[in-house]
Amino acid sequence: GAGVSQSPRYKVAKRGQDVALRCDPISGHVSLFWYQQALGQGPEFLTYFQNEAQLDKSGLPSDRFFAERPEGSVSTLKIQRTQQEDSAVYLCASSFEGGHTKPQPQHFGDGTRLSIL
Amino acid sequence: AQSVAQPEDQVNVAEGNPLTVKCTYSVSGNPYLFWYVQYPNRGLQFLLKYITGDNLVKGSYGFEAEFNKSQTSFHLKKPSALVSDSALYFCAVSRNSGYSTLTFGKGTMLLVSP
Repeated sequence: GAGVSQSPRYKVAKRGQDVALRCDPISGHVSLFWYQQALGQGPEFLTYFQNEAQLDKSGLPSDRFFAERPEGSVSTLKIQRTQQEDSAVYLCASSFEGGHTKPQPQHFGDGTRLSIL
Repeated sequence: AQSVAQPEDQVNVAEGNPLTVKCTYSVSGNPYLFWYVQYPNRGLQFLLKYITGDNLVKGSYGFEAEFNKSQTSFHLKKPSALVSDSALYFCAVSRNSGYSTLTFGKGTMLLVSP
């Protein structure tokens, strides 16, 4: 399909394990965002990429969270030594904007629901 | 810092009646405002946006929103609700420079009864 694709849709891990979440944005979209959505809350910003450059990681909650987008398309969000408070839905979004135009709508994937036992 | 408030956790309306979902915002400078809808176990779908221009913005599925600068509000409206409109609605604001990181409200559940 032509939308944002995220995998896996569901991930269960034991506390202390490392996890990797993948995002495949819409082809040609320059901007890529990661958000964390806790149960019953709105999404909260984690990090932003413009092509392969990570321009903002101010929302990452700790140094256990790491994101990359090495070739400017697919992105991976990695969480090391997972904790129970990491349980949430992780949403990826992409948009066409290149950072110098007025905001364009972000297109969201269906998310990865992460459960830490 | 920018913020969004959605004062209602849930809005109930009968099918065929008009609906309003409230949103107020706080941002320095000119606001860029968005409404998104989320269905169960799905990501967010874009409904409409306000950048500049007319205060009444029309979007997808018959939804519209009214920007009111003096009241710092951006309420979502629809003249005639459908049962299929039942979902979780999020208002979001973006800062007016650089890339558009969104700050979301906590969401309002809309329930449309037959």
